[in-house]
Amino acid sequence: KAGVTQTPRYLIKTRGQQVTLSCSPISGHRSVSWYQQTPGQGLQFLFEYFSETQRNKGNFPGRFSGRQFSNSRSEMNVSTLELGDSALYLCASSPRVSGNTIYFGEGSWLTVV
Amino acid sequence: TQLLEQSPQFLSIQEGENLTVYCNSSSVFSSLQWYRQEPGEGPVLLVTVVTGGEVKKLKRLTFQFGDARKDSSLHITAAQPGDTGLYLCAGAGQGAQKLVFGQGTRLTINP
Repeated sequence: KAGVTQTPRYLIKTRGQQVTLSCSPISGHRSVSWYQQTPGQGLQFLFEYFSETQRNKGNFPGRFSGRQFSNSRSEMNVSTLELGDSALYLCASSPRVSGNTIYFGEGSWLTVV
Repeated sequence: TQLLEQSPQFLSIQEGENLTVYCNSSSVFSSLQWYRQEPGEGPVLLVTVVTGGEVKKLKRLTFQFGDARKDSSLHITAAQPGDTGLYLCAGAGQGAQKLVFGQGTRLTINP
């Protein structure tokens, strides 16, 4: 059974640009969560989608957004990138809405210069 | 707001030694997970504990969930360099709430 797949793995963007990251969950999993991980802040929850609806949201500005498609694949978008957005962005999937065990992808490394 | 505190934050020991990592909270969790993350990779699930007082063993790793389901520990026996990594605990609250993660324990096992 394939795990959670995230693309791209690495990317470099310039301040002010926008970026879209993609996540394919484990087959049969309908919940997708996104996390930002930085050395200083640890793992911080961005949002969770289940059945194409946002179910939970963390404390991030509106520049961070996401969506989920009918096949459970998800994308997250960050607009007007700032240097502080440089981080590892992790996607995780679960069979049910968050609160249960989640399985992470390898992450997308974003560097903003 | 539910918080999970992990200790120690950093731990560096010699191969063959034993160690324990702690995950504490003032909140009750319905379940608690432990993950290990290696540099450049996503966290990998090690175990889920759901019952107060539960003990689970995974080879040289022993996980325990506190009786009150507010804390957990991870004990590694005879640590090996391959155990090196960031260990994260995560708690699941009641109902459809997001997982709460601890800040992690960065473990280094020196040969």
